[in-house]
Amino acid sequence: DAGITQSPRYKITETGRQVTLMCHQTWSHSYMFWYRQDLGHGLRLIYYSAAADITDKGEVPDGYVVSRSKTENFPLTLESATRSQTSVYFCASSEHSTSSYEQYFGPGTRLTVT
Amino acid sequence: AQSVTQPDIHITVSEGASLELRCNYSYGATPYLFWYVQSPGQGLQLLLKYFSGDTLVQGIKGFEAEFKRSQSSFNLRKPSVHWSDAAEYFCAVGALSGGSNYKLTFGKGTLLTVNP
Repeated sequence: DAGITQSPRYKITETGRQVTLMCHQTWSHSYMFWYRQDLGHGLRLIYYSAAADITDKGEVPDGYVVSRSKTENFPLTLESATRSQTSVYFCASSEHSTSSYEQYFGPGTRLTVT
Repeated sequence: AQSVTQPDIHITVSEGASLELRCNYSYGATPYLFWYVQSPGQGLQLLLKYFSGDTLVQGIKGFEAEFKRSQSSFNLRKPSVHWSDAAEYFCAVGALSGGSNYKLTFGKGTLLTVNP
């Protein structure tokens, strides 16, 4: 039971480069989410997806792009990385039945932009 | 829009002492409420949740939380803290928006230090 995985776990990239963070879940959950975690800000929602091919912006979407061609995958792309995007990124998924709205989190990706 | 306030950024307790972490929320309807715990270098793990019914909910690792509608609070408690409880704790409120769209809003977290 793999659950939800993220890759890579650590990434160092240079300003201006494109980088893609991967998220994969094995539960067939309909909803998936991307958050960033920064000191003093807690977790902030970047993008979320209600189903394959359905995505929507969260609180801090600028500079990020997402896609969801398959239910189990939800990659996050930084098209031109900036130092302000140095953060820990968490992916989460949720079943969204009427009795289950909790989100399950991956282990995170620590991204450093130099 | 919903919001969550965790008034205490950092709390230190002695091992064996009782613990209460505060959480206040703002939301116009009955909220879905959650407590998550994050150990260093790890993802977030769900401790407990409140959807409806009994306002005192039990979670994993001996934690409980009480929903108080009149105070818009959902405080987390544990009667006797263990050194392994040292972690960061996040309160979250979930709400539906735009039909079936559903999002969680997190507080900024409370860091718990446990002294031996």
